[in-house]
Amino acid sequence: DGGITQSPKYLFRKEGQNVTLSCEQNLNHDAMYWYRQDPGQGLRLIYYSQIVNDFQKGDIAEGYSVSREKKESFPLTVTSAQKNPTAFYLCASSTDSRRPDTEAFFGQGTRLTVV
Amino acid sequence: GQQLNQSPQSMFIQEGEDVSMNCTSSSIFNTWLWYKQEPGEGPVLLIALYKAGELTSNGRLTAQFGITRKDSFLNISASIPSDVGIYFCAGRTSGSRLTFGEGTQLTVNP
Repeated sequence: DGGITQSPKYLFRKEGQNVTLSCEQNLNHDAMYWYRQDPGQGLRLIYYSQIVNDFQKGDIAEGYSVSREKKESFPLTVTSAQKNPTAFYLCASSTDSRRPDTEAFFGQGTRLTVV
Repeated sequence: GQQLNQSPQSMFIQEGEDVSMNCTSSSIFNTWLWYKQEPGEGPVLLIALYKAGELTSNGRLTAQFGITRKDSFLNISASIPSDVGIYFCAGRTSGSRLTFGEGTQLTVNP
């Protein structure tokens, strides 16, 4: 079945370490996104990519990095420069066709805890 | 950047009641989406709206794209316990980037 897979579901890291969150989709969607969600808050855009080998900063890109070497994959690295990295991270993909089945489809999220 | 004001922030209702929530913006949007998120999961798309004035239903859910293109509402009729979750609106002007509201936390008491 087509979908978007984030791994791992839970991740624990020590302060000062970089960590990479995985996001893979087999929906053949062109665009992929990373959002951060804090308790009781909405989704804030970290980075997005509309095409392979190209990506744009979102609203809260500082302390994060991404790559888009393959259409299916959009990994997010949380670097030690991110001051408050503990959060729920959501990956999504979409394609531009103005149909419900092409709108942003989310993975199940990765809960990152930095201790 | 663009902002969406979603209200109410939370709702506590009895099973069987109808629910209404809305999103407003100072910016014009070309697409309005409504998502539901359950605890520990990613949001799931409920309804997509593409034309001003459009009214679309999905089972007990009905959403409308405001005629000014600056607002949208979502109604849930005859609520049931499994309606519990956070409901988000999202808007798009051009391209693929979405702007999300802060969410409405819905609690349904049996």
